[in-house]
Amino acid sequence: EAGVAQSPRYKIIEKRQSVAFWCNPISGHATLYWYQQILGQGPKLLIQFQNNGVVDDSQLPKDRFSAERLKGVDSTLKIQPAKLEDSAVYLCASSLGWDPKNYGYTFGSGTRLTVV
Amino acid sequence: QKEVEQDPGPLSVPEGAIVSLNCTYSNSAFQYFMWYRQYSRKGPELLMYTYSSGNKEDGRFTAQVDKSSKYISLFIRDSQPSDSATYLCAMSRGAGNMLTFGGGTRLMVKP
Repeated sequence: EAGVAQSPRYKIIEKRQSVAFWCNPISGHATLYWYQQILGQGPKLLIQFQNNGVVDDSQLPKDRFSAERLKGVDSTLKIQPAKLEDSAVYLCASSLGWDPKNYGYTFGSGTRLTVV
Repeated sequence: QKEVEQDPGPLSVPEGAIVSLNCTYSNSAFQYFMWYRQYSRKGPELLMYTYSSGNKEDGRFTAQVDKSSKYISLFIRDSQPSDSATYLCAMSRGAGNMLTFGGGTRLMVKP
């Protein structure tokens, strides 16, 4: 089974620039998540999709962050304009949803963003 | 105060030692408890999942949940250098709900 694919792996931008990250979840996984992981901290949920609908975006800084999941498969996360404190690893994860045997997400390797 | 607290370590042990990793939490609504392992520059991978209180064993790994104390543990027996990683506890209120992570404990197993 192919894993969760993310690109790019690394990105360095200047503050106030914009950036976009891409995620391709595991085939058949209806639920997709974007997490932000700041160095030395645990991941924090930014947004959760169920198919192409938003389930939870309460922690997404909507003045600068946006995300979409067209056709319920791939997803993009955008930051515009970026701030220094956005430097982090952005993790995409997908899951089948509620399945006692398979509960838990599969994470991608993440995109490491550095804002200078 | 964070909802989920985890000692950041680093925790350094000799190969073959028993490792104990712990998390405390404040939200009594959490029902599902997980442990993830994260190698450097990789995404977290699920190790153990437990629903409500009790113990669960899988090979060298044992997860314990004590909801009355709001305390969860992960034990690693016969630790190996390949176990060197950051261990993240995570929990959620219900199936399909968002996961709330601890900050992670960095473990180093020395040969």
